[in-house]
Amino acid sequence: ILNVEQSPQSLHVQEGDSTNFTCSFPSSNFYALHWYRWETAKSPEALFVMTLNGDEKKKGRISATLNTKEGYSYLYIKGSQPEDSATYLCADNTDKLIFGTGTRLQVFP
Amino acid sequence: GAVVSQHPSWVICKSGTSVKIECRSLDFQATTMFWYRQFPKQSLMLMATSNEGSKATYEQGVEKDKFLINHASLTLSTLTVTSAHPEDSSFYICSPGQGHPEAFFGQGTRLTVV
Repeated sequence: ILNVEQSPQSLHVQEGDSTNFTCSFPSSNFYALHWYRWETAKSPEALFVMTLNGDEKKKGRISATLNTKEGYSYLYIKGSQPEDSATYLCADNTDKLIFGTGTRLQVFP
Repeated sequence: GAVVSQHPSWVICKSGTSVKIECRSLDFQATTMFWYRQFPKQSLMLMATSNEGSKATYEQGVEKDKFLINHASLTLSTLTVTSAHPEDSSFYICSPGQGHPEAFFGQGTRLTVV
């Protein structure tokens, strides 16, 4: 993998559903992976900085895992709420921030 | 948390004119500011890094004479898109490089050149 790739591109879920997205990144020379939540008309909000293989971080209903050997990170949202609707970005920070195109999540009441 | 103020949030300009985008760090001193842009359906991409008191460094493919960066103080970095053309229409966003790097961003500027 040469670029940072995120899937799915977009996701529509019902309130209360749990969901997850994937971020794939080059696994060689890894330094750090960042996750952001970006709501429309607002600044991207930093969620997690992942550095160690096997890292698992949690912030409320949102958690993330990291596998540096295979080059992927998962972001999980448990019991999605309408306020979780946003674009979720990941970025590889090995040399400079290389962003994925994001996963656009819409949670319907 | 750090507050970064970016203005304007959107601008429409005529082809051939110049547009200045300001990014201010309101509660800390930023000696470095990263400038990104995002074209439709693409990812945020680093354009240049401004450094207070010295020349900015530009990423490959970004014209330094077209995208003028000034970082004359520790609280203000500006990006000027000179002689803008429709292909410069994009979303531009800044991020200071201090403290918690890559943790804070401005609100972004949507530039439309007509």
